[in-house]
Amino acid sequence: SQQGEEDPQALSIQEGENATMNCSYKTSINNLQWYRQNSGRGLVHLILIRSNEREKHSGRLRVTLDTSKKSSSLLITASRAADTASYFCATEGAQKLVFGQGTRLTINP
Amino acid sequence: DTEVTQTPKHLVMGMTNKKSLKCEQHMGHRAMYWYKQKAKKPPELMFVYSYEKLSINESVPSRFSPECPNSSLLNLHLHALQPEDSALYLCASSHTFRSNTEAFFGQGTRLTVV
Repeated sequence: SQQGEEDPQALSIQEGENATMNCSYKTSINNLQWYRQNSGRGLVHLILIRSNEREKHSGRLRVTLDTSKKSSSLLITASRAADTASYFCATEGAQKLVFGQGTRLTINP
Repeated sequence: DTEVTQTPKHLVMGMTNKKSLKCEQHMGHRAMYWYKQKAKKPPELMFVYSYEKLSINESVPSRFSPECPNSSLLNLHLHALQPEDSALYLCASSHTFRSNTEAFFGQGTRLTVV
């Protein structure tokens, strides 16, 4: 069963702009992770935020986690054409890593 | 070595065939996963192995049979599949549960059932 819902489902922006994706989940978690998938290929881990953390940065990525609202956001700053991909949040809990529906991000040159 | 290797990359099989998907990692991870992903959908969890023992089966039909021969290998045996089983099958591994570390994914096997 999928417990994560993401919005928007699709996002198209100009190169250089910032992209924000949101994720909501339903059950208690150990951590929340974000992954990127280029079309038809494997998933690449981007960032992990633990349940007791509120914000985390990695390069151009900024992730927030609000456990009271059961939600997270991923911000990609200064987007590049190479950032075009699908982005999934995934929650780890009860020995499972369960993915949200994903956001398809398109960066236009 | 931080790779998860899946073979084959592509597989076409008939509904009466028996085939196997293979997954290998040498990172010392003790949790391994099989996911199924249909086009434009998120990966759906199928099976979880923890220390070479099956710990989670997400009500997957018996025509899919997982096997974990040792801590580095994970197989998915396929028999009498249906066309709707055509999908990308992804293998992943992680250190252990509750380790708060990421999962590493293979590139997947693109399966077509004809």
